[in-house]
Amino acid sequence: AQSVTQPDIHITVSEGASLELRCNYSYGATPYLFWYVQSPGQGLQLLLKYFSGDTLVQGIKGFEAEFKRSQSSFNLRKPSVHWSDAAEYFCAVGNQAGTALIFGKGTTLSVSS
Amino acid sequence: GAGVSQTPSNKVTEKGKYVELRCDPISGHTALYWYRQSLGQGPEFLIYFQGTGAADDSGLPNDRFFAVRPEGSVSTLKIQRTERGDSAVYLCASSSGLAGNTDTQYFGPGTRLTVL
Repeated sequence: AQSVTQPDIHITVSEGASLELRCNYSYGATPYLFWYVQSPGQGLQLLLKYFSGDTLVQGIKGFEAEFKRSQSSFNLRKPSVHWSDAAEYFCAVGNQAGTALIFGKGTTLSVSS
Repeated sequence: GAGVSQTPSNKVTEKGKYVELRCDPISGHTALYWYRQSLGQGPEFLIYFQGTGAADDSGLPNDRFFAVRPEGSVSTLKIQRTERGDSAVYLCASSSGLAGNTDTQYFGPGTRLTVL
């Protein structure tokens, strides 16, 4: 069965520092991968997605993610974090039937000044 | 508005009562999804509609949960005989329905259900 693991429950990064959030997936075929961000009181917002092609994907708000099939990973990165990036981040994989997303448990990002 | 809307934003009910949660998808989106998010967890899939029909209801936890989308637009999630364990944020999402697995799902702000 498909699954997503986000190993880090909570990460604190200094403003201006770089960020990497880890995501590992379990999936038999080529996965469809997504990163969403959830701010307090807001709905989930799509940051980026990967289906095929270039393994480095650019998203909104300066985020990028790299698909590594050999490591079953899809880590999210940002070169310089802003205080407004503090939020909950979710990695997800599309299920085989194409009817649902399977989410990880999320990583809470705190940004210190 | 142009986004997915959900009403009510908060619902408090007593154990054993019946509740209905409403979702208004983005206009023109044929695909609609319900998820449930418990505290400290990621969203968990409940049900998927393509048009008026439930194409995948494999995520519904038991027969107390039911959802409808009679005209292929607004959807209602219905929970009978609520239990304290049903307390969670219920999220609705919609997508164009045109791109299959690669469709982007747009999420609403959710309904926070508290069962006392």
